[in-house]
Amino acid sequence: DQQVKQNSPSLSVQEGRISILNCDYTNSMFDYFLWYKKYPAEGPTVLISISSIKDKNEDGRFTVFLNKSAKHLSLHIVPSQPGDSAVYFCAAPDGGSSNTGKLIFGQGTTLQVKP
Amino acid sequence: GAGVSQSPRYKVAKRGQDVALRCDPISGHVSLFWYQQALGQGPEFLTYFQNEAQLDKSGLPSDRFFAERPEGSVSTLKIQRTQQEDSAVYLCASSLVGAFNEQFFGPGTRLTVL
Repeated sequence: DQQVKQNSPSLSVQEGRISILNCDYTNSMFDYFLWYKKYPAEGPTVLISISSIKDKNEDGRFTVFLNKSAKHLSLHIVPSQPGDSAVYFCAAPDGGSSNTGKLIFGQGTTLQVKP
Repeated sequence: GAGVSQSPRYKVAKRGQDVALRCDPISGHVSLFWYQQALGQGPEFLTYFQNEAQLDKSGLPSDRFFAERPEGSVSTLKIQRTQQEDSAVYLCASSLVGAFNEQFFGPGTRLTVL
């Protein structure tokens, strides 16, 4: 039972354009979400997060949108840069933010930004 | 400051061998997590420590998997009698206590079982 789903394994965009990565979840107890970025041979690092009391969080070129009724998140990167090429994971703490912090991850989306 | 480190970075084992994977968390981080990442998948939770106490081991796939953190700092994940399906990247993460605290991940150990 995949509680966090990223249905697009890969995405390719042109430098300067917008990248949109999508994530769906099934567990209505999730109240905090994170996007992790992972380069080859490195551990994932947090890119941006959002609490369920918000529907948008912005940090520079990165914006995460949360639609609770649809149980859907999206990460927008604009403008996309070649250095953004990486694997992106959507994640949520199991049991909500009051729990230990054990994370449930999606399968990941590999983003390639072409110069 | 130093991040989370893991060793070895790569491990090749013959089926049936025992392996031990080490994680050095960030100093002062109370929480420590182990995840398993199969090829093309996201990380999956294995086990969680708060200091030296193993509070959740619900993700360990079989009794061949064992983790410890005896002094509340360094942790070791041991896999006995390795099988081919154990081939994966094993990631360790540490954080301050609480779900809102960022988990900092190590680079992982890539285990290949032949």
